[in-house]
Amino acid sequence: DAGVIQSPRHEVTEMGQEVTLRCKPISGHDYLFWYRQTMMRGLELLIYFNNNVPIDDSGMPEDRFSAKMPNASFSTLKIQPSEPRDSAVYFCASSHDGLSPYGYTFGSGTRLTVV
Amino acid sequence: AQSVTQLGSHVSVSEGALVLLRCNYSSSVPPYLFWYVQYPNQGLQLLLKYTSAATLVKGINGFEAEFKKSETSFHLTKPSAHMSDAAEYFCAVISSGTYKYIFGTGTRLKVLA
Repeated sequence: DAGVIQSPRHEVTEMGQEVTLRCKPISGHDYLFWYRQTMMRGLELLIYFNNNVPIDDSGMPEDRFSAKMPNASFSTLKIQPSEPRDSAVYFCASSHDGLSPYGYTFGSGTRLTVV
Repeated sequence: AQSVTQLGSHVSVSEGALVLLRCNYSSSVPPYLFWYVQYPNQGLQLLLKYTSAATLVKGINGFEAEFKKSETSFHLTKPSAHMSDAAEYFCAVISSGTYKYIFGTGTRLKVLA
């Protein structure tokens, strides 16, 4: 298995632009999670899906953030409009279940820089 | 609410020395606890997991952790540090009733030659 695949690995964009981050979870995993990592706030859960349905989006910082999972093999996290404070590494993770013996499998992340 | 606290944001050890990374948890119910490792420019990788079975949990790369309820601790240890262990380590607990990890703030391990 190729693991959790995120794209792009790096994204540099100007303030005000729309940014879309993409994630392909491991086939057969029922849960998908989006995390944001910054020096100041550490790892924050933004949203998670179960069977393509958003379960908890309480971590989404503002209405500028939205996430979708149109099917079991694809999810997007969109920021519109982007702001410099959105600069962070965004991780996607998937799991067969929350207590899988293998825990979550994380992607390599997308490093977003908003200038 | 559940939480984890990692003591020491930076730890330095000499190669071959004992590694001890501290994690204390707060939970009103029996927790599920995890240690993850993050190498530079990579995602997090599961090291080991406690799910109320054996209190001493062995993980990958020679790491282990002991669940101590009386101390509300889940410290990570390795008898002999290797240069390749240099990374950031995160303790995490699963929030009861959900599948949401709550991560600690991380401990960056530096291994000195």
